[in-house]
Amino acid sequence: DTGVSQDPRHKITKRGQNVTFRCDPISEHNRLYWYRQTLGQGPEFLTYFQNEAQLEKSRLLSDRFSAERPKGSFSTLEIQRTEQGDSAMYLCASSTYRVENYGYTFGSGTRLTVV
Amino acid sequence: KNEVEQSPQNLTAQEGEFITINCSYSVGISALHWLQQHPGGGIVSLFMLSSGKKKHGRLIATINIQEKHSSLHITASHPRDSAVYICAPAGGATNKLIFGTGTLLAVQP
Repeated sequence: DTGVSQDPRHKITKRGQNVTFRCDPISEHNRLYWYRQTLGQGPEFLTYFQNEAQLEKSRLLSDRFSAERPKGSFSTLEIQRTEQGDSAMYLCASSTYRVENYGYTFGSGTRLTVV
Repeated sequence: KNEVEQSPQNLTAQEGEFITINCSYSVGISALHWLQQHPGGGIVSLFMLSSGKKKHGRLIATINIQEKHSSLHITASHPRDSAVYICAPAGGATNKLIFGTGTLLAVQP
């Protein structure tokens, strides 16, 4: 397993278009998180999956955003009708919770530019 | 007031110096992460702490749960340590991270 993979690495889109990002977590990690990082800021939490269930969504996640994790494996984050304010780095992380060995691994991110 | 405060926000050090970055948080947590991010790069998890102290190479992280404070120390700093260091408590049922503002470290040769 080579870690958390995100695709694409970069995406440039015109305002109003829809975009979809994919995250492949570490296979034995049942927890998956999406975060968003704008330039010069720390990441902010967007949403969380435990297996296939989406258990928490941030108020940052407007109705234009939707995330799925079918079968508890990979996850997708879709943004509809993109706006310039959506330009950011979208980070995926996966985790497992064991007291002795808590793993929290980030993907390299997808950088979205809305023009 | 931010839930996670880091200090300093910017730090310039000479190679070989001992560096300390501090983090105070106001939320209840299950654990605290120290993360490293190089400019334009991905985020790497350095430590996860729930109590006490951990050491990895030249890096040492400590946490005081009662005082809600954590520190990251770098001994014998090197220019390759230059990066943003982020304190990120994990809390709630989901263990989501709440990110601090980050400390931009520049180590000069």
